[in-house]
Amino acid sequence: KAGVTQTPRYLIKTRGQQVTLSCSPISGHRSVSWYQQTPGQGLQFLFEYFSETQRNKGNFPGRFSGRQFSNSRSEMNVSTLELGDSALYLCASSLETGTGELFFGEGSRLTVL
Amino acid sequence: AQSVAQPEDQVNVAEGNPLTVKCTYSVSGNPYLFWYVQYPNRGLQFLLKYITGDNLVKGSYGFEAEFNKSQTSFHLKKPSALVSDSALYFCAVRDYNQGGKLIFGQGTELSVKP
Repeated sequence: KAGVTQTPRYLIKTRGQQVTLSCSPISGHRSVSWYQQTPGQGLQFLFEYFSETQRNKGNFPGRFSGRQFSNSRSEMNVSTLELGDSALYLCASSLETGTGELFFGEGSRLTVL
Repeated sequence: AQSVAQPEDQVNVAEGNPLTVKCTYSVSGNPYLFWYVQYPNRGLQFLLKYITGDNLVKGSYGFEAEFNKSQTSFHLKKPSALVSDSALYFCAVRDYNQGGKLIFGQGTELSVKP
């Protein structure tokens, strides 16, 4: 069974641009969560989607948004990029929301110049 | 709010020696605890979890963790460390007061020397 797939793996943007990251969960998993990982802040929860509905949201500004499609694939978008948005963005899937372990993808490393 | 703490930023162990990576938790209610490992430039890999039952939980790659309710700890252990165990280890807890999101500790860098 294929794992969680994130695209792109690496990308470079400049301040003020926007970016869209994609995540395909493990087949059969309906919950997708997003995390931001930085050396200073560690792993910070962004949001969680289940059956196309946002179930939970972390403490990030409105520039960070996401959505989930009917096939459980998810995207997150960051608008008006700032230097501090440089991070590894990790997507994770699970069978149900709020239970059990999460299965993570390899991440998308975003560098903002 | 639920939280976990990893008191050591780095742990150094000689190959073949036992290793322990420490984690303490603060939760209201029953804790759902997890350990993950991250290799350089990779995502997180699930190692093991404690939901209920035996206090000693066995996981992947020979790792185990001991749940101690009185000390509110969930330390990760391995009887004999390998150089390939060198990685970043995260303890995490499900926060059911905030929709069940997974809250991570700051991570512990494990270095195993030959």
